[in-house]
Amino acid sequence: GAVVSQHPSRVICKSGTSVKIECRSLDFQATTMFWYRQFPKQSLMLMATSNEGSKATYEQGVEKDKFLINHASLTLSTLTVTSAHPEDSSFYICSAPTPLLAGDQETQYFGPGTRLLVL
Amino acid sequence: AQTVTQSQPEMSVQEAETVTLSCTYDTSESDYYLFWYKQPPSRQMILVIRQEAYKQQNATENRFSVNFQKAAKSFSLKISDSQLGDAAMYFCAYRRSSNQFYFGTGTSLTVIP
Repeated sequence: GAVVSQHPSRVICKSGTSVKIECRSLDFQATTMFWYRQFPKQSLMLMATSNEGSKATYEQGVEKDKFLINHASLTLSTLTVTSAHPEDSSFYICSAPTPLLAGDQETQYFGPGTRLLVL
Repeated sequence: AQTVTQSQPEMSVQEAETVTLSCTYDTSESDYYLFWYKQPPSRQMILVIRQEAYKQQNATENRFSVNFQKAAKSFSLKISDSQLGDAAMYFCAYRRSSNQFYFGTGTSLTVIP
C-alpha cells in the first residue's frame, strides 16, 4: 500500500539553527501534503497545506517565516524550522492524500513523524 | 472553523468487553468525512474507520463500528471484543472536502487483561 516517509525521524539541534524535515510519498504522487505538529500528550494541530508548484497555505497563528514549506516535486515536501527555539520542540507529522481513482476510496496516509528537540 | 471535541480524556475497558468513545464536531459544511485514528506509542497514525457524511449507514470494520448522528453532529466509536492491542490514543478527526484534517484532543484507551 501507499506509504509516506519522513526524514529524519529524530533531530536534535541548537537554539538558533534551522532544521529541515522531509516528507515523501513513496509510491504515489501528491500534489498536496499537510503538516501537523503534536505536543506531548496533545492532539495533532494542522499547521499548513503544502501545494506542489505554488505557495503553501498556513493555518491561523502559524508563522510563515518561521515554518518554511517547499513542495519541490510531486513526491516531496519539506518543512524548515528556521531559527529554532526550545518552544519549537515537538513532533511533526506530514500526511498526503492518494489520488482518487474510479471506484476507489480516497485515502490519506500519515508519515511516521519527526521528533524535534531544540536545546 | 471546524472543531472536534472528545470529552473523554481517558477510558478503560476489560479485555473482551465493549467500549464506546465519544466525539462531537461542529461544522457548517455539508460535504465532509469523519475518521477515527489510533495512535500507539510509536506515534504512527493508523486509520481505524471512516464515515462519509452523505451516507446514512453507519460504517463498520470488523470489531469497530460507529454511531453517526449527523443532525446531532455526533460520531462515536464502538470497539467490541476489546483486545490488548487496542490500547492506544484514539483521535476523532474531521476532514474537509479540501483534505485538511482537524483532530479532537484524543482519548487514551487502556485495556485491562
